[in-house]
Amino acid sequence: AQSVSQHNHHVILSEAASLELGCNYSYGGTVNLFWYVQYPGQHLQLLLKYFSGDPLVKGIKGFEAEFIKSKFSFNLRKPSVQWSDTAEYFCAVNFYYGQNFVFGPGTRLSVLP
Amino acid sequence: DGGITQSPKYLFRKEGQNVTLSCEQNLNHDAMYWYRQDPGQGLRLIYYSQIVNDFQKGDIAEGYSVSREKKESFPLTVTSAQKNPTAFYLCASSIAQGANGNQPQHFGDGTRLSIL
Repeated sequence: AQSVSQHNHHVILSEAASLELGCNYSYGGTVNLFWYVQYPGQHLQLLLKYFSGDPLVKGIKGFEAEFIKSKFSFNLRKPSVQWSDTAEYFCAVNFYYGQNFVFGPGTRLSVLP
Repeated sequence: DGGITQSPKYLFRKEGQNVTLSCEQNLNHDAMYWYRQDPGQGLRLIYYSQIVNDFQKGDIAEGYSVSREKKESFPLTVTSAQKNPTAFYLCASSIAQGANGNQPQHFGDGTRLSIL
């Protein structure tokens, strides 16, 4: 079965530190990739998505992600985090011809002021 | 504003009771989904529907049932057969996925269900 893994359960950073959250999936075919964010008390929001083309995609709030097909990875990055980035981050994959999504377990990010 | 409304926000159930969670969307989306969110496990798909009067089981459908009589509504019933129903339930919708599967999902605020 297809699966999605996220490297870290909980990441703690100080403001202005750089962020990289790992995401890997297990499937050799064509995929569509997403990162969602869930701020405390809020619903999940789409950060960015990759379907095709340039493997480096930019999203909202200064986030970007790079798709590396050979590594089955879609890591999320931000050069300088802010306290307001404190949230839970979910990687999701929709497999080509798939009708639903597979989500990773999530990574909780805590940014210390 | 268009969006997804889940109600109630908090729900308490006695053991042995069925309970129904509401999900309504005014985004004119064809597809709707129910997920269960547990700490450390991310979102797991319960049921999904790509079109009115049709729905499919997800990864953890046992103990749950759904209906899709209207495009804008996709209620989820947690039955007494669900052994561990305490969780956070999220409803989502999207434009029909089609062959590409590249339509992002929009999420509601969730319903937290607790067993008394």
